[in-house]
Amino acid sequence: QSVLTQPPSVSAAPGQKVTISCSGSSSNIGNNYVSWYQQLPGTAPKLLIFENNKRPSGIPDRFSGSKSGTSATLGITGLQTGDEADYYCGTWDSSLSGWVFGGGTKLTVL
Amino acid sequence: EVQLVESGGGLVQPGGSLRLSCGASGFTFRSFEMNWVRQAPGKGLEWVSYISSSGSTIYYADSVKGRFTISRDNAKNSLYLQMNSLRAEDTAVYYCARVRHSTSSDWFDPWGQGTLVTVSS
Repeated sequence: QSVLTQPPSVSAAPGQKVTISCSGSSSNIGNNYVSWYQQLPGTAPKLLIFENNKRPSGIPDRFSGSKSGTSATLGITGLQTGDEADYYCGTWDSSLSGWVFGGGTKLTVL
Repeated sequence: EVQLVESGGGLVQPGGSLRLSCGASGFTFRSFEMNWVRQAPGKGLEWVSYISSSGSTIYYADSVKGRFTISRDNAKNSLYLQMNSLRAEDTAVYYCARVRHSTSSDWFDPWGQGTLVTVSS
């Protein structure tokens, strides 16, 4: 069981919008910034969002992040087939003195 | 180009040992904190260990504490993970990842391509 809770899967049609939730507690999301990672099939994870809502250079503005209380959300608009991947949230957990990740969400673009 | 390249994975028997390496290039390695993160087959990401830029501060996940040792050689731009008393549940792809900072936030970027460790008799 992961410390952070994500839905196992989400799906939507090309061009549509999807959101992926990440739920935690006061020891992790509630008091720390969240980052999001995209893992395309057969590849290493790649940074998508940092500091809750900032995009690294090269990441399109179709990807967005937000945080409220002990939950965070990744949003993807204008879905493309190339967005099919596993998405993970992550943050520091002050109680565990370590990093924690969500269990991952598999995005299917129908 | 910032690059991390892991090596040292392979097949090892339960109770055995393995040493993973992560070679860094394209950035000033000695200035950055580093982590190991693993991913069991078909599973999610699991943080394994952290080391500060100087090596003076180290953290481990409870699942590997007492069995794994993280270290670094800044002169060789290399990160290591010594894994002892390996168990079947340690089977995973092991990634090294660089830590990026702001004043109040950390994140991992980039990640290496990973090296597969299989623990089986």
